Amino acid sequence: DAMVIQNPRYQVTQFGKPVTLSCSQTLNHNVMYWYQQKSSQAPKLLFHYYDKDFNNEADTPDNFQSRRPNTSFCFLDIRSPGLGDAAMYLCATSRRSFGQGGDEQFFGPGTRLTVL
Amino acid sequence: QQPVQSPQAVILREGEDAVINCSSSKALYSVHWYRQKHGEAPVFLMILLKGGEQKGHDKISASFNEKKQQSSLYLTASQLSYSGTYFCGTRGGLGIQGAQKLVFGQGTRLTINP
Repeated sequence: DAMVIQNPRYQVTQFGKPVTLSCSQTLNHNVMYWYQQKSSQAPKLLFHYYDKDFNNEADTPDNFQSRRPNTSFCFLDIRSPGLGDAAMYLCATSRRSFGQGGDEQFFGPGTRLTVL
Repeated sequence: QQPVQSPQAVILREGEDAVINCSSSKALYSVHWYRQKHGEAPVFLMILLKGGEQKGHDKISASFNEKKQQSSLYLTASQLSYSGTYFCGTRGGLGIQGAQKLVFGQGTRLTINP
């Protein structure tokens, strides 16, 4: 089945220790997203790739970086995690939308990050 | 700018109806609806692209009033499986890049009791 896969599902790291989260997709979608979701809050977009074009949200901290080496894979790097970065990180994909409405987003199961 | 959802939480008995509203102070070009169960990823429900559009499947439907800059999600004869947090999402900006992005409302937590 076509899907969005995230690894690991649970990640524990120490304060300040770099961590990388990965996302892969078999949907062959052009657009990939990274969201941060804290408890009882809405998903908050960190950045997205439109094909190879990287689009950073204005309020995404510099501590967060991303790489998309090919269509199928995308990585989220947190260079120096702080306690406030503990959250669920969701990867999502969608087809390229040429209209104004956007297209359905398919979410992976998420990676829950704990910072000690 | 984040759309505003109301109510923040609803508790129903199985079989009752619910309405969740989503409104924006900015022009809405489209509205997306997602449901997220506890500990799981959001799941797409539907997109409304045009003012006046109504969509539905099973007993969940939605309307989009472009002029009033709002959308409503209707859950009829609710089932236990409808429990979860419902998010509306609106387009996050202009142009091709903006069309790809969603800004989610704060969510409405729906609890269905037997």
